[in-house]
Amino acid sequence: DAGVIQSPRHEVTEMGQEVTLRCKPISGHNSLFWYRQTMMRGLELLIYFNNNVPIDDSGMPEDRFSAKMPNASFSTLKIQPSEPRDSAVYFCASSIRAGAFTDTQYFGPGTRLTVL
Amino acid sequence: KNEVEQSPQNLTAQEGEFITINCSYSVGISALHWLQQHPGGGIVSLFMLSSGKKKHGRLIATINIQEKHSSLHITASHPRDSAVYICAVRSPWSGGGADGLTFGKGTHLIIQP
Repeated sequence: DAGVIQSPRHEVTEMGQEVTLRCKPISGHNSLFWYRQTMMRGLELLIYFNNNVPIDDSGMPEDRFSAKMPNASFSTLKIQPSEPRDSAVYFCASSIRAGAFTDTQYFGPGTRLTVL
Repeated sequence: KNEVEQSPQNLTAQEGEFITINCSYSVGISALHWLQQHPGGGIVSLFMLSSGKKKHGRLIATINIQEKHSSLHITASHPRDSAVYICAVRSPWSGGGADGLTFGKGTHLIIQP
């Protein structure tokens, strides 16, 4: 069974460009999470969805960040316009039960984003 | 916001040693989680604790709610245990990130053969 799938694995872009990160959760999982990891700030939960509905986006750093989950098998995290300080590894995770960390979470391999 | 401190930041040990990683937090929580991040970057959720102790294989996690402290123990450590171990606490009433989650900076563990 495939795990959480993220694409692209690596993204290099220039400041001001739009960036879209994609995630396919494990089939049958009801919750999806977007995380960001940097050396300075460590791991942060940006937003999570239950049954495709955004529940808590208080971790989203700025209005330049937006996330959508149009259906149970797909989610996007968009940054527009991107800035160098957005450079980080972005992880997507999914779990069967609703709520952040109320159940075992399965993480994707991450997307390493570099904004020049 | 909950302040989460992990110690040690870095730990190198020999294969077979008993390992202890600590996590302290400043504000009462509803749950604490231990994550393992492999050298390639992948993250695995190890435990979720709200009280007492949990065991999975060679890993044991304990929490003391009164002292606001948790420990992760690894028995008979092996080189494949080499990873970054991250503590995360959930305290929705004290700010922090989404869902009240605050993460520690992680403990870098290296087990030498």
